[in-house]
Amino acid sequence: AQSVTQLGSHVSVSEGALVLLRCNYSSSVPPYLFWYVQYPNQGLQLLLKYTSAATLVKGINGFEAEFKKSETSFHLTKPSAHMSDAAEYFCAVSDLGGNKLTFGGGTRVLVKP
Amino acid sequence: GAGVSQSPSNKVTEKGKDVELRCDPISGHTALYWYRQSLGQGLEFLIYFQGNSAPDKSGLPSDRFSAERTGGSVSTLTIQRTQQEDSAVYLCASSLAGGKVIDTQYFGPGTRLTVL
Repeated sequence: AQSVTQLGSHVSVSEGALVLLRCNYSSSVPPYLFWYVQYPNQGLQLLLKYTSAATLVKGINGFEAEFKKSETSFHLTKPSAHMSDAAEYFCAVSDLGGNKLTFGGGTRVLVKP
Repeated sequence: GAGVSQSPSNKVTEKGKDVELRCDPISGHTALYWYRQSLGQGLEFLIYFQGNSAPDKSGLPSDRFSAERTGGSVSTLTIQRTQQEDSAVYLCASSLAGGKVIDTQYFGPGTRLTVL
């Protein structure tokens, strides 16, 4: 069975500082990995996805993530936080068919001015 | 174009009543998914429809939950004899073809269900 662990349910960063959200996965087969963002009272929006091409994946809004098989990690980063980045972020892994997403517990990001 | 829409946006019901939640996927998307987001369990997969194939119901938590998809488009999630632990946000998503890892799932805004 697949699982996803996100370290830290809440992260507080200063505006302009680095954003680092951690995600580790457990999968018996090569995984497909995703980061989604959820703004208050809205659905999930895809930030980026890893589908076994380049290990460094660039997404929307300046976010990127690096797939590290040796560490079973897919951490999300953004060099400089913006107030608009305040939201909840979810890491997810899909089954081989890409039909079912298994989500981590989410990390809520607070950006301080 | 229009995204995934869900109705109602909020639903309050009494324990023991049945509820129906509706999802309109993006036009042309053949795959449709239901997920549940709750404080205790996080985001969980419930059910998946792909074209005319039999749905994957492996995530449904009990036989009180059922879903159908009519005409390959609109889907209804039905919860019978609601319990307080059913209180959650129910999210619907659709993707172009399903079964392909490169397909992105597009999510609706969700229906917040509160069972009193």
